[in-house]
Amino acid sequence: QQPVQSPQAVILREGEDAVINCSSSKALYSVHWYRQKHGEAPVFLMILLKGGEQKGHEKISASFNEKKQQSSLYLTASQLSYSGTYFCGTEEGRDSSYKLIFGSGTRLLVRP
Amino acid sequence: KAGVTQTPRYLIKTRGQQVTLSCSPISGHRSVSWYQQTPGQGLQFLFEYFSETQRNKGNFPGRFSGRQFSNSRSEMNVSTLELGDSALYLCASSLDRARPLHFGNGTRLTVT
Repeated sequence: QQPVQSPQAVILREGEDAVINCSSSKALYSVHWYRQKHGEAPVFLMILLKGGEQKGHEKISASFNEKKQQSSLYLTASQLSYSGTYFCGTEEGRDSSYKLIFGSGTRLLVRP
Repeated sequence: KAGVTQTPRYLIKTRGQQVTLSCSPISGHRSVSWYQQTPGQGLQFLFEYFSETQRNKGNFPGRFSGRQFSNSRSEMNVSTLELGDSALYLCASSLDRARPLHFGNGTRLTVT
């Protein structure tokens, strides 16, 4: 089941904040966040494993509400380098099979 | 540490042919996942291998197959190519489930 990301696209001025959401109808084991710049491979940002857990990476942080099967990525004081497409990836269940399913992506453009 | 290496970077094939793509994971990574990326469909999960065993498979026809060798290197094969198979094929390695994926730069396949 593909997670749903919102918004599909967002344009920011440098220094502004943004929130990208990711939701699933399934119980989740983990949520991953990746950023892909044009012509490049996706790059790992962070992974969240438990409800309410928040992780940070410089001015980028994320939360995971296990009860609601939702995760949010917070970009604070955006920089030009933040431009790209952000994907959330969700892993369902606790069995031994490993299957990371990605959302359709959120295109972020940061302008000077 | 060397990253994930995919070969070849570009391929042009005609309909009906078959193709084999190769992926060398990061040293020590035993999990290798394959994804198809197209502008309209985003990142679609193909399959995941761990210690030479396919642990999970996405919703792709049987023309798409893969395997993993004892050194964790992986190959995917697409037989009887169709125009719709034109895409960027990404390989990603990780230590195991709920761990970050490290993507290669992909193989861009064009079917004419």
